[in-house]
Amino acid sequence: GAVVSQHPSRVICKSGTSVKIECRSLDFQATTMFWYRQFPKQSLMLMATSNEGSKATYEQGVEKDKFLINHASLTLSTLTVTSAHPEDSSFYICSARGPGDSDEQYFGPGTRLTVT
Amino acid sequence: GQNIDQPTEMTATEGAIVQINCTYQTSGFNGLFWYQQHAGEAPTFLSYNVLDGLEEKGRFSSFLSRSKGYSYLLLKELQMKDSASYLCAALYCYYQLIWGAGSKLFLMP
Repeated sequence: GAVVSQHPSRVICKSGTSVKIECRSLDFQATTMFWYRQFPKQSLMLMATSNEGSKATYEQGVEKDKFLINHASLTLSTLTVTSAHPEDSSFYICSARGPGDSDEQYFGPGTRLTVT
Repeated sequence: GQNIDQPTEMTATEGAIVQINCTYQTSGFNGLFWYQQHAGEAPTFLSYNVLDGLEEKGRFSSFLSRSKGYSYLLLKELQMKDSASYLCAALYCYYQLIWGAGSKLFLMP
């Protein structure tokens, strides 16, 4: 099946620093990738939809200047949390739409971000 | 907007059967996903229903009624490892995926 990797799996950083999270589709090309955030005991919240070669589409309430998304190739999308603060601490998960005409989303393992 | 409703928590006994319901708005609807998510992990795919009816996959089955805006996930012969959150998500207009808040399943031995 389609495999999506995410790196790093866990990161602890100081307030004010920037953190980059990578999402890769390992065995298929993904023209569309999604970035989610999940707070403890809550469901997934879609942050943005990332399309290869074009600007990401952000959901309402998500600051595009704070959460920078780059989808430069068909197998890689990156999310950069700029000037991170403790309230940005969360579980960040990427997913990629499956190959071909598949509607299914394949999820990466997630990145646990802790900002101190 | 589209609202997805599913129970917040459910409790069941090991070896038993549990049904987790999900309702959604039908306008623009394409299909219904079920995902399993263990604490601290990313969701894993369970099923995707597009047509009415029941689809069975081993111990897990998923049902869809498009006219009623209703789906359920049926888990049989429950095992302790089935303790997890179960998320339903409805696909609209072939690109917009709306997630439910998840149903946390607690299992008792």
